[in-house]
Amino acid sequence: GQQLNQSPQSMFIQEGEDVSMNCTSSSIFNTWLWYKQDPGEGPVLLIALYKAGELTSNGRLTAQFGTTRKDSFLNISASIPSDVGIYFCAGQPGANSGYALNFGKGTSLLVTP
Amino acid sequence: EPEVTQTPSHQVTQMGQEVILRCVPISNHLYFYWYRQILGQKVEFLVSFYNNEISEKSEIFDDQFSVERPDGSNFTLKIRSTKLEDSAMYFCASGGLDEFFGPGTRLTVL
Repeated sequence: GQQLNQSPQSMFIQEGEDVSMNCTSSSIFNTWLWYKQDPGEGPVLLIALYKAGELTSNGRLTAQFGTTRKDSFLNISASIPSDVGIYFCAGQPGANSGYALNFGKGTSLLVTP
Repeated sequence: EPEVTQTPSHQVTQMGQEVILRCVPISNHLYFYWYRQILGQKVEFLVSFYNNEISEKSEIFDDQFSVERPDGSNFTLKIRSTKLEDSAMYFCASGGLDEFFGPGTRLTVL
């Protein structure tokens, strides 16, 4: 599958701070998805983006689908301890190119009270 | 809220043995997927299934792997002769544009 570059690899922040992470790809995707994974559990879908330029929020989370369709970012505002986990971006080629997700390597987020 | 379920949560097997991992996708979903995640690594696509046949598969999904939807609710992944490197978390997912993941089966091959 296509290579996704997700950064940063890890973040260690204080409660209340804002967080930003992003993914870039050399290939175009038709859908970008952001997941959170807690240890020993499956990825949980946070936000799905379907159109280039789309900006979508889910509570304190905001994600954008880059206009080139090769990148996406996720912001978390006013972080809390339960935000701890690994965040993955995933790109989906879509339509004739299939629906298999290509995952980034993840951003590990630690939040201290 | 409907969710994807998987059984067993943990499977330990000897190298060379066959294993079957089971999934119950969300009932009105049409696309089904298997992914795996080796410890500490990213999630990797194995196979997708639509309309009772494989629609995509990765290079990981070789002849040792097969999938089946034996009835209206279950979706299974079979590994015919397990290898040590098959040890991983195996996730089932269902959906289409949005993919919803199950809690995973941890497969340990000894």
